[in-house]
Amino acid sequence: AQKVTQAQTEISVVEKEDVTLDCVYETRDTTYYLFWYKQPPSGELVFLIRRNSFDEQNEISGRYSWNFQKSTSSFNFTITASQVVDSAVYFCALTRGGSSYKLIFGSGTRLLVRP
Amino acid sequence: DGGITQSPKYLFRKEGQNVTLSCEQNLNHDAMYWYRQDPGQGLRLIYYSQIVNDFQKGDIAEGYSVSREKKESFPLTVTSAQKNPTAFYLCASKQGVGNQPQHFGDGTRLSIL
Repeated sequence: AQKVTQAQTEISVVEKEDVTLDCVYETRDTTYYLFWYKQPPSGELVFLIRRNSFDEQNEISGRYSWNFQKSTSSFNFTITASQVVDSAVYFCALTRGGSSYKLIFGSGTRLLVRP
Repeated sequence: DGGITQSPKYLFRKEGQNVTLSCEQNLNHDAMYWYRQDPGQGLRLIYYSQIVNDFQKGDIAEGYSVSREKKESFPLTVTSAQKNPTAFYLCASKQGVGNQPQHFGDGTRLSIL
């Protein structure tokens, strides 16, 4: 069975601090995809990144970076120099390779960045 | 602008009433999805459709129904059989059958009167 665990329910930081959101996944598939989405207070989910199981290179996009480690089944997300606008709920999700339709979501981590 | 439009933003249901949530997309995406989000939880899949006139049950389809008569539209009906309908409902769409990211609407918050 596939499962995504985000153990951090809520994180509170002061602006400009770095923060890492943890994501641990379980799957028996050799081909799979991992995603991160951001849900701001307005409610819609905003796609941040997709990573396939064969690409373990870390990725950086501005203040965002992602660390994918198959050995520990983790796909962690770091925000450097956090800003108030980063306050949101962040979801990690998993899907099978091929023609899979189904995204398995973690329960989300609520990030509060205080001024 | 291309995107997904959900309406209404807020909806109230009386006991024994069916209500329909609208989802329209102009992204020309083939696949569309409905999710339910409860407080402090992730999203759970209700129904999905990969092509017009075809749809499949997700993990929590009981008490819900859908139709897919047009590519751009995927309405969700919450029936009176759904005993705990209070939740935030999100519609999504995706291009093709591969692992492209799903794009989401702004959601509809449904409450019971």
